[in-house]
Amino acid sequence: GAGVSQSPRYKVAKRGQDVALRCDPISGHVSLFWYQQALGQGPEFLTYFQNEAQLDKSGLPSDRFFAERPEGSVSTLKIQRTQQEDSAVYLCASSLLSRANNSPLHFGNGTRLTVT
Amino acid sequence: SQQGEEDPQALSIQEGENATMNCSYKTSINNLQWYRQNSGRGLVHLILIRSNEREKHSGRLRVTLDTSKKSSSLLITASRAADTASYFCATGRTDSWGKLQFGAGTQVVVTP
Repeated sequence: GAGVSQSPRYKVAKRGQDVALRCDPISGHVSLFWYQQALGQGPEFLTYFQNEAQLDKSGLPSDRFFAERPEGSVSTLKIQRTQQEDSAVYLCASSLLSRANNSPLHFGNGTRLTVT
Repeated sequence: SQQGEEDPQALSIQEGENATMNCSYKTSINNLQWYRQNSGRGLVHLILIRSNEREKHSGRLRVTLDTSKKSSSLLITASRAADTASYFCATGRTDSWGKLQFGAGTQVVVTP
């Protein structure tokens, strides 16, 4: 079956613009994660959903970041009033199990956001 | 903040040689996972080792876990050019079962 799909693949935004990043997880996967990856670094956790419930948003850097998964499948990460420090690759991952940190994550190829 | 720290940061070897990289972490964990990332791509899961396991194998991969030292190692035997990638360890903490925390990675280059 299809893997995790993210769109757009690349996004260039002017400082102050709002952006929306989309993630289509693997069908049937209960858990969905968003990570932020800076160049040369490992992924940093942003937020986690179990079905439609956002159970952990402790990694969101500021209140400009908002994520939703209203029907328990597709998720959107929204960044309002983008800043240059938001430039990074945003990775989405899904997992079959609800106890997500005890099972493998399946990652999409990410959205590379550049804020100019 | 990143939980795991990989060592070395970079590794350059020739095809056929073995590659070993280490991961240290700070808190109590349920499991430790290793992932591979090719340039410009997402991460691919390699292997998961639980806190009550000491060693695990998958094909040319061998992972060890020493919870008393809070460390793990990943060995790739008989490396190939296609193994060129960044390798990350990720820990599932006992106090936060909803997320994995990744290290900064080891960049491995395998030359033919």
